[in-house]
Amino acid sequence: EDQVTQSPEALRLQEGESSSLNCSYTVSGLRGLFWYRQDPGKGPEFLFTLYSAGEEKEKERLKATLTKKESFLHITAPKPEDSATYLCAVQGGLNYGGSQGNLIFGKGTKLSVKP
Amino acid sequence: GAVVSQHPSWVICKSGTSVKIECRSLDFQATTMFWYRQFPKQSLMLMATSNEGSKATYEQGVEKDKFLINHASLTLSTLTVTSAHPEDSSFYICSAKPISGTSGRADTQYFGPGTRLTVL
Repeated sequence: EDQVTQSPEALRLQEGESSSLNCSYTVSGLRGLFWYRQDPGKGPEFLFTLYSAGEEKEKERLKATLTKKESFLHITAPKPEDSATYLCAVQGGLNYGGSQGNLIFGKGTKLSVKP
Repeated sequence: GAVVSQHPSWVICKSGTSVKIECRSLDFQATTMFWYRQFPKQSLMLMATSNEGSKATYEQGVEKDKFLINHASLTLSTLTVTSAHPEDSSFYICSAKPISGTSGRADTQYFGPGTRLTVL
């Protein structure tokens, strides 16, 4: 069964303290791995899409990397405004779940950055 | 670019009533929209895939007659929760995939801000 597991569930950092969030996945025929940011009471905001092992994407203090089994979201010198829940999702093969390669989400990592 | 809106942002209703939630893509067109629900500290769970001009595809365990989905145009999908009960209280979020050539990436789901439904 296709699965997405994110760790840790929660992460507390001091401002400027760099760290990484992990997303492990098992999926039949990865078509894409997506990172989203979700603020409390809001919908997810798109950050990155990764398609193949070795691929990297960057945006401001965030950098996403992908291997055949997992993805990392690296946060460099975080600021309090980076506090949010970060969601990882994978899109598998066409036949998953009877629907056309829909997204499977992990439970997210709640990041808190203290000033 | 690739902005999705939802209305209302929150709603409180009595048990047994029906509630309609609208999802609009504001600056792109979408043949496919998705409806999710999210419980506190839980992941997003896909309820159904909404296809413009055709019937929605529901995930296993989601009652078609309870959660009515209509995708009448390339920019609007609606979710109606019929005969709502307290256990239907949740955060409902829609997403949309842009058509190639419009704003946003065609392989990416863009999410609305969500609707908080509370059934008394």
